[in-house]
Amino acid sequence: SQQGEEDPQALSIQEGENATMNCSYKTSINNLQWYRQNSGRGLVHLILIRSNEREKHSGRLRVTLDTSKKSSSLLITASRAADTASYFCATDGNNRLAFGKGNQVVVIP
Amino acid sequence: GAVVSQHPSWVICKSGTSVKIECRSLDFQATTMFWYRQFPKQSLMLMATSNEGSKATYEQGVEKDKFLINHASLTLSTLTVTSAHPEDSSFYICSAASGLSNQPQHFGDGTRLSIL
Repeated sequence: SQQGEEDPQALSIQEGENATMNCSYKTSINNLQWYRQNSGRGLVHLILIRSNEREKHSGRLRVTLDTSKKSSSLLITASRAADTASYFCATDGNNRLAFGKGNQVVVIP
Repeated sequence: GAVVSQHPSWVICKSGTSVKIECRSLDFQATTMFWYRQFPKQSLMLMATSNEGSKATYEQGVEKDKFLINHASLTLSTLTVTSAHPEDSSFYICSAASGLSNQPQHFGDGTRLSIL
């Protein structure tokens, strides 16, 4: 079942700006993962945050997780044109992923 | 990072044809592989979960006789779309997991299937 929901669904920003995406879910989770998908391609894993973690960093990416609110956010700092893609959150509750609707991010050079 | 190879990347064929899609994990043993379907500008919909050596578990609404899944080894799973029709046209993506907890899935590059 698809339980993740990202907000907003489309984001257009200038290169160098930060991009923030949110995701909410409904059930208990083991972890929450963020993936990137370039047009017509498969998904690339970005970052996994466990249910007992609150924040995680990886390069220009920062992910937060609030299990009390059942929500997560993905921040991309100092965006680049190459960051243009769709971004999906996915919750892992029983070793199966439930994907959110996705955010389309366009970074304008 | 882990590499998953999916083949073919695109297929165009006539209605009634059966199409086989392969998903291989190249550098790790995938105890579980997943098959997803994605419509344009939409999210991924899980079709089925396959474990090596056992029958696949299909999601509700997915016809197991239509979408045959075989996971014969720890590195290979196949999805066969039998007697494909235009409504089966879609983007099919596989992923592989090691079975360890709190580990990401690794995705293939997808197969664009177009049925004429």
